[in-house]
Amino acid sequence: AQTVTQSQPEMSVQEAETVTLSCTYDTSESDYYLFWYKQPPSRQMILVIRQEAYKQQNATENRFSVNFQKAAKSFSLKISDSQLGDAAMYFCAYRGLYNAGNMLTFGGGTRLMVKP
Amino acid sequence: KAGVTQTPRYLIKTRGQQVTLSCSPISGHRSVSWYQQTPGQGLQFLFEYFSETQRNKGNFPGRFSGRQFSNSRSEMNVSTLELGDSALYLCASSLAAGNEKLFFGSGTQLSVL
Repeated sequence: AQTVTQSQPEMSVQEAETVTLSCTYDTSESDYYLFWYKQPPSRQMILVIRQEAYKQQNATENRFSVNFQKAAKSFSLKISDSQLGDAAMYFCAYRGLYNAGNMLTFGGGTRLMVKP
Repeated sequence: KAGVTQTPRYLIKTRGQQVTLSCSPISGHRSVSWYQQTPGQGLQFLFEYFSETQRNKGNFPGRFSGRQFSNSRSEMNVSTLELGDSALYLCASSLAAGNEKLFFGSGTQLSVL
């Protein structure tokens, strides 16, 4: 079974600064997807960024980028120029490529606080 | 385009009762997944439906069941409620099963007293 671990329950960053959230995972599969989701107080999960394991290039979406280290099974999220609206719970998630449907395995989450 | 709609937003039940939660996916989406979120266990996959068929099921007891209708709307049912069933239940939809772009609703917060 796959597991996803987020070792930082809480992180804090100053507005306009950069912060990195950590995620490690365990799997025996060679092809899979990794995701970062944001959950603001509204409770709605919002997809931040997605990485396909077969792509060596790290995914980037505006101020959000990942550092994907497949051999180390590490998938960290970097948020540049942090904004007050970035404050939320962030979840790392894994999905197998084959026969997994939309079954995601989530990490325990990291609460990000942004200080003005 | 309307997003994923879950009703009700909040629900209070007592132990032993049963409850039905509803999820209306984004128009055109045919896959609906359900997740349970608790402080202790985090986010856990319940099940996924595609074209009225259950495609995947998580590790939950048989008290948890679901179904999907021909219009892709989905319901999940929990029978004989236990205190531990108190959770936020999230629904997500996508165009097809296995499509990686999931859109989540705001959830139904269930409290079991």
